[in-house]
Amino acid sequence: AQTVTQSQPEMSVQEAETVTLSCTYDTSESDYYLFWYKQPPSRQMILVIRQEAYKQQNATENRFSVNFQKAAKSFSLKISDSQLGDAAMYFCAYRSDSMYSGGGADGLTFGKGTHLIIQP
Amino acid sequence: DAGVTQSPTHLIKTRGQQVTLRCSPKSGHDTVSWYQQALGQGPQFIFQYYEEEERQRGNFPDRFSGHQFPNYSSELNVNALLLGDSALYLCASSLGRGAWRNTIYFGEGSWLTVV
Repeated sequence: AQTVTQSQPEMSVQEAETVTLSCTYDTSESDYYLFWYKQPPSRQMILVIRQEAYKQQNATENRFSVNFQKAAKSFSLKISDSQLGDAAMYFCAYRSDSMYSGGGADGLTFGKGTHLIIQP
Repeated sequence: DAGVTQSPTHLIKTRGQQVTLRCSPKSGHDTVSWYQQALGQGPQFIFQYYEEEERQRGNFPDRFSGHQFPNYSSELNVNALLLGDSALYLCASSLGRGAWRNTIYFGEGSWLTVV
């Protein structure tokens, strides 16, 4: 079974600065996808960014980028120019895409989350 | 375009009772998954429904069951409620199984408190 670990229960950053959230995972599979989700107080999960394991290039979405280290099984999220609206819980998630698991079923495995605080 | 909608928003049940939670997927989506999120934890996958059948299941007992209707909406049923079932239940929808390129959309959840 896959596991996802987020070792930072809480992070704080000054507005306009850069912060990096850590995530490690454990899997024996070679084909999978990784995601970062944001959960604001409204509790609705919002996809921030995603990464295919077969791609070496790190994904980028505007101010959000990842550092994907497949050999180290590490998947960190960097938020540049932090804004007050970035304050939320951030969850790292894993999804298998192995042919042996039914061709990429949608069940996500989440970490415990990191609470991001933005200081004005 | 309505997103994923869930009902009820909050509910309180007594230990041993049964509960039904409902979910309407985003317009055009045909796959529904359910997650349980305990306080201070990440969501845990319960099961997924596609073409009105349970296609994949997480590590949850048979007390958790579900259903998908022809219009793709779904229900999550929990029998013999335990105090530990108190959690936020999230519904997620997507288009097709394994279609990772299609974004998975989540609803705002149903808060269940078991007393």
